[in-house]
Amino acid sequence: SAVISQKPSRDICQRGTSLTIQCQVDSQVTMMFWYRQQPGQSLTLIATANQGSEATYESGFVIDKFPISRPNLTFSTLTVSNMSPEDSSIYLCSAILEGVLFFGSGTQLSVL
Amino acid sequence: GQQVMQIPQYQHVQEGEDFTTYCNSSTTLSNIQWYKQRPGGHPVFLIQLVKSGEVKKQKRLTFQFGEAKKNSSLHITATQTTDVGTYFCAGISGTASKLTFGTGTRLQVTL
Repeated sequence: SAVISQKPSRDICQRGTSLTIQCQVDSQVTMMFWYRQQPGQSLTLIATANQGSEATYESGFVIDKFPISRPNLTFSTLTVSNMSPEDSSIYLCSAILEGVLFFGSGTQLSVL
Repeated sequence: GQQVMQIPQYQHVQEGEDFTTYCNSSTTLSNIQWYKQRPGGHPVFLIQLVKSGEVKKQKRLTFQFGEAKKNSSLHITATQTTDVGTYFCAGISGTASKLTFGTGTRLQVTL
């Protein structure tokens, strides 16, 4: 199994600012993913964070809005840029290990 | 794109009653996984099914993968309050390396 530490756990931000979420895995993993989850909804994949190459973004998500870094096999960051109230959500990082997804505890973001 | 739907969206049962959630994919899946998310928590892996018609059991939970590998079900026998949460199926289609999550079924159990 994998233990994933994600921070911050929650934040309240002003419109127009940016927030960077950090995700640390306790073992080396090839693939990490960033999801968004609205209250009471399912998980929507934002992007796949690839080590050594640019992230792969899903339809509706762009690098300028959600830049991702993946400097090594245990760490990734997601930045939510130029935030608006519509960005208020829970953001989850995850890593795949032996075909199973393990999740961080999530970042609850509120944008005022 | 691939869509994975679950029914029901929500179910409220009395403790001791059985519960079933159904998962249907628009495309054939190479495998299907089930996750449970407790209120305020993050999804936690329960099980993976790979073979057509496969059935797996974990104590009171029974998981089934359809013959056509496009649907799956999770059945809980004699629910307990600890079963409260949202159950998601998630599937991989074709050569994709990413999981597509179902819409989820929220289970509420009361005494």
